Amino acid sequence: GENVEQHPSTLSVQEGDSAVIKCTYSDSASNYFPWYKQELGKGPQLIIDIRSNVGEKKDQRIAVTLNKTAKHFSLHITETQPEDSAVYFCAASHLSGGYQKVTFGTGTKLQVIP
Amino acid sequence: DVKVTQSSRYLVKRTGEKVFLECVQDMDHENMFWYRQDPGLGLRLIYFSYDVKMKEKGDIPEGYSVSREKKERFSLILESASTNQTSMYLCASSLIRRLAGETQYFGPGTRLLVL
Repeated sequence: GENVEQHPSTLSVQEGDSAVIKCTYSDSASNYFPWYKQELGKGPQLIIDIRSNVGEKKDQRIAVTLNKTAKHFSLHITETQPEDSAVYFCAASHLSGGYQKVTFGTGTKLQVIP
Repeated sequence: DVKVTQSSRYLVKRTGEKVFLECVQDMDHENMFWYRQDPGLGLRLIYFSYDVKMKEKGDIPEGYSVSREKKERFSLILESASTNQTSMYLCASSLIRRLAGETQYFGPGTRLLVL
């Protein structure tokens, strides 16, 4: 089955600096890669996603890159703010037996220091 | 906005008790999921359902069962709770079954402590 590895597990940055979280996946059938943000006391919420036919996607301060050959994808947050502090999960998804199969990474706890 | 609600935010149960966790979504989604979240392990899929009365095992179904009698409601059942089932339980839903790139919408989670 699919295996998604996520690094680092914790990340501390100064406000205004950039943060990068990296994930690798194992199943070449995966074709959809969402990123979720989980704030304290809440469920994860989608912040950005990328499909396998695209190499990069940007939404304001957040960008995601995908290298299908290397099976790597990354989340980039620029000009970090204290409200970016949360746990971030990457995921890889594909159709398997007619069902959406999503495998999550182990999470990165991001702390933005004011 | 899609809303996924879970019946309890916190639960404390005794070993051996039968535990019901309820999840309701209000957007007519086909798919519903139950995950457990543990530190360092991320989100692991317990069961999912793609239609009423249908269910499929996820990666860690042992010790759990599910019920989906209505489209909007998906229940997770711990037949005989054990201490190793102490965890955060997250319910999620997504719109369409046969589409890989579907956003999952999560509830706020139920933190279960089994004593």
